[in-house]
Amino acid sequence: KAGVTQTPRYLIKTRGQQVTLSCSPISGHRSVSWYQQTPGQGLQFLFEYFSETQRNKGNFPGRFSGRQFSNSRSEMNVSTLELGDSALYLCASSLGLRDRSYEQYFGPGTRLTVT
Amino acid sequence: QQPVQSPQAVILREGEDAVINCSSSKALYSVHWYRQKHGEAPVFLMILLKGGEQKGHEKISASFNEKKQQSSLYLTASQLSYSGTYFCGTAGGAGNQFYFGTGTSLTVIP
Repeated sequence: KAGVTQTPRYLIKTRGQQVTLSCSPISGHRSVSWYQQTPGQGLQFLFEYFSETQRNKGNFPGRFSGRQFSNSRSEMNVSTLELGDSALYLCASSLGLRDRSYEQYFGPGTRLTVT
Repeated sequence: QQPVQSPQAVILREGEDAVINCSSSKALYSVHWYRQKHGEAPVFLMILLKGGEQKGHEKISASFNEKKQQSSLYLTASQLSYSGTYFCGTAGGAGNQFYFGTGTSLTVIP
């Protein structure tokens, strides 16, 4: 079974630009969650999508948005990039059962650097 | 709402035991444990559900105290491969937002 894939793996952008990151979950998984990881803040939850609907959203500004397609692939968009957005962005896929009895499988991440 | 882990960092010699604690200010429904090695993605270790039993994985086990809103991860007879950062993850209810803990860096030396 193929794992979670994320593209691109590395990205360098300039302040004010926007960026789109992509995540392809494990086949059969309907839930995709996005996390931002930084040395100072650890793993911060961005949002979770399940069957094309946003099920949960973390405490991030509206510049961070996402969507999920019918094939469960998900994209995350960050507009008007700021220096503080530099981070490793991880997506995780799971079966998405509401009782949280499932594990999450993480992709390798996208390393975003904003200059 | 982010769970707090302790200790923040620990160094062990091979064969020694360690305990990592995860504490939440909110009522917990489930607790997950993940390990992340440097430069890699987090990898799932185990899940403990409210009312569920303690689950183990080889020499790594965990407990979940619902009343105290705490979970502990037990690593016995540590091996070099145990090195990494351990995160607990919690959800306050079915379908609720998932939070990862502050992380514990564990280093095992020969």
